[in-house]
Amino acid sequence: DQQVKQNSPSLSVQEGRISILNCDYTNSMFDYFLWYKKYPAEGPTFLISISSIKDKNEDGRFTVFLNKSAKHLSLHIVPSQPGDSAVYFCAASGSAGADGLTFGKGTHLIIQP
Amino acid sequence: EPEVTQTPSHQVTQMGQEVILRCVPISNHLYFYWYRQILGQKVEFLVSFYNNEISEKSEIFDDQFSVERPDGSNFTLKIRSTKLEDSAMYFCASSPIRGTGNTIYFGEGSWLTVV
Repeated sequence: DQQVKQNSPSLSVQEGRISILNCDYTNSMFDYFLWYKKYPAEGPTFLISISSIKDKNEDGRFTVFLNKSAKHLSLHIVPSQPGDSAVYFCAASGSAGADGLTFGKGTHLIIQP
Repeated sequence: EPEVTQTPSHQVTQMGQEVILRCVPISNHLYFYWYRQILGQKVEFLVSFYNNEISEKSEIFDDQFSVERPDGSNFTLKIRSTKLEDSAMYFCASSPIRGTGNTIYFGEGSWLTVV
């Protein structure tokens, strides 16, 4: 039962272009969404988050968009840089103060020079 | 920058053996977590721990698993009798406050291989 789905296992983008990573969720009780970045042999690192009361959150090159009616969120990275090559996980939380995050399977982003 | 540290980085164990994975959370954090990632699968929540007791646990965290904070600095995950399907990367995490993912800091993981 995949409550958080990342349907693209991998994505290849040219350096300097925009990377768009997508995530869908099925549980309408989720109200907080996060993106984590993971390099090989390292733990996930928090990147950016968004509360369900917002539809956009921006932090430097990273922007997360949330479409609650479609139960869809996306992460935009612009411009993409070689150091952005990593696995990106979408995660969701059920309610403020809830402990466990529900993760998607991840999308491997490859930035081509 | 403070970080969550985990030992061992890699452990190979025989099926049926007990395994203890160790973690040192960030010193002023109050909430502690274990997650795991089976190869090729998603990261899965196992358990959260606060004030010396389990706060929340998932369906995966059955009677074979236990957690402990024995000495005020270490946070351990014990698997009593390992099974082949326990082979995974186990991530410890900690946070100063409850939930709100951007405050959760992950360790580098302990890779467990059960043979």
